[in-house]
Amino acid sequence: DQQVKQNSPSLSVQEGRISILNCDYTNSMFDYFLWYKKYPAEGPTFLISISSIKDKNEDGRFTVFLNKSAKHLSLHIVPSQPGDSAVYFCAASDTNAGKSTFGDGTTLTVKP
Amino acid sequence: DTEVTQTPKHLVMGMTNKKSLKCEQHMGHRAMYWYKQKAKKPPELMFVYSYEKLSINESVPSRFSPECPNSSLLNLHLHALQPEDSALYLCASSQVSFDKNTGELFFGEGSRLTVL
Repeated sequence: DQQVKQNSPSLSVQEGRISILNCDYTNSMFDYFLWYKKYPAEGPTFLISISSIKDKNEDGRFTVFLNKSAKHLSLHIVPSQPGDSAVYFCAASDTNAGKSTFGDGTTLTVKP
Repeated sequence: DTEVTQTPKHLVMGMTNKKSLKCEQHMGHRAMYWYKQKAKKPPELMFVYSYEKLSINESVPSRFSPECPNSSLLNLHLHALQPEDSALYLCASSQVSFDKNTGELFFGEGSRLTVL
């Protein structure tokens, strides 16, 4: 039973356009959500997060939206840059249990 | 210093070998983690240490043995592994103890393990 799902294994966008990465979850105990970015041969790096009490969090070109009723979150990158090309993991945390569960990842390719 | 350092970066071992993976952080973080990641799969939690005590063991086989000598170091001792244990092993740390952690993890680059 996969509790965090990223249904799109890959996404390709043109430089300057918006990238939208999606993530769905099933466990209603999750109360904190994060996006990590991973380049080849490196560990994941934290990108942006959102608490379940919010529906939007913005940090520069990155915005995360949370729809609790739909158990869905998305990461918007605008404008997209070639350096954004990486694997993006969605993660959901049950802060009481202290565990993060990761999605399968979406490979984003931003074309110049 | 905002790094989590893992050694070795690559390790090849036979099924009868004993080896160790090492992880170090100097950010004053109180929780440290071992994750296993297979190709094209998400990281899977193996162990969590909080204040140098083992807090979570996700039913990991005993051929994997974690050790936390102090708050900055985390080891993973490997013995009698199987070829299916070949994977990227990621160490991570977080600022507060695992049960207060909002989830932000700082990952190392990983140790790529191949079991022959």
